[in-house]
Amino acid sequence: SQKIEQNSEALNIQEGKTATLTCNYTNYSPAYLQWYRQDPGRGPVFLLLIRENEKEKRKERLKVTFDTTLKQSLFHITASQPADSATYLCALVHNQGGKLIFGQGTELSVKP
Amino acid sequence: EPEVTQTPSHQVTQMGQEVILRCVPISNHLYFYWYRQILGQKVEFLVSFYNNEISEKSEIFDDQFSVERPDGSNFTLKIRSTKLEDSAMYFCASSPTSGRYNEQFFGPGTRLTVL
Repeated sequence: SQKIEQNSEALNIQEGKTATLTCNYTNYSPAYLQWYRQDPGRGPVFLLLIRENEKEKRKERLKVTFDTTLKQSLFHITASQPADSATYLCALVHNQGGKLIFGQGTELSVKP
Repeated sequence: EPEVTQTPSHQVTQMGQEVILRCVPISNHLYFYWYRQILGQKVEFLVSFYNNEISEKSEIFDDQFSVERPDGSNFTLKIRSTKLEDSAMYFCASSPTSGRYNEQFFGPGTRLTVL
């Protein structure tokens, strides 16, 4: 069955450093992959979408890579800030209807 | 900026009771979704809705669940006879076109507690 895995352990980094989060998937060939941010008790908030023919996508301090051979996406936050502390969710776009299959998320904590 | 709204924010109910969770998607969006998140677990897809009909549903979305868009603005999720395991955060989401190509806009969620 389709499986999406993200770093299950929380990631703790110092302010100003680059955070790198990993998303691996199996038994699937998605055309699109999305990253969301989720704060405690809130709904996911869209950050970036990357297509299978795009190796890299950037938005301000965020960068996403998508390697369809490795079946992996990396999500980077450069010059991290305490306000970046949240859980980050990787989501595969399942089909034309747009059903999202989420990973379990990685909790990021940025210390001042 | 337009946003998805959900009511109530928290619903407590007794096992076996019916609940209706309400959502107002962003007004020009065409695709609507319900997801749920059991505490500490991943966000799970329940159902997608387009052109006034269900386009896809998960195995979680059994006969106890139904969705409706009664008046062109509201989008509701009904659970006919709640079970303890239905306790979760329920998120409504909408998208202007197929979510495959676009982000989904999520509401703040309704926390459902079944006693």
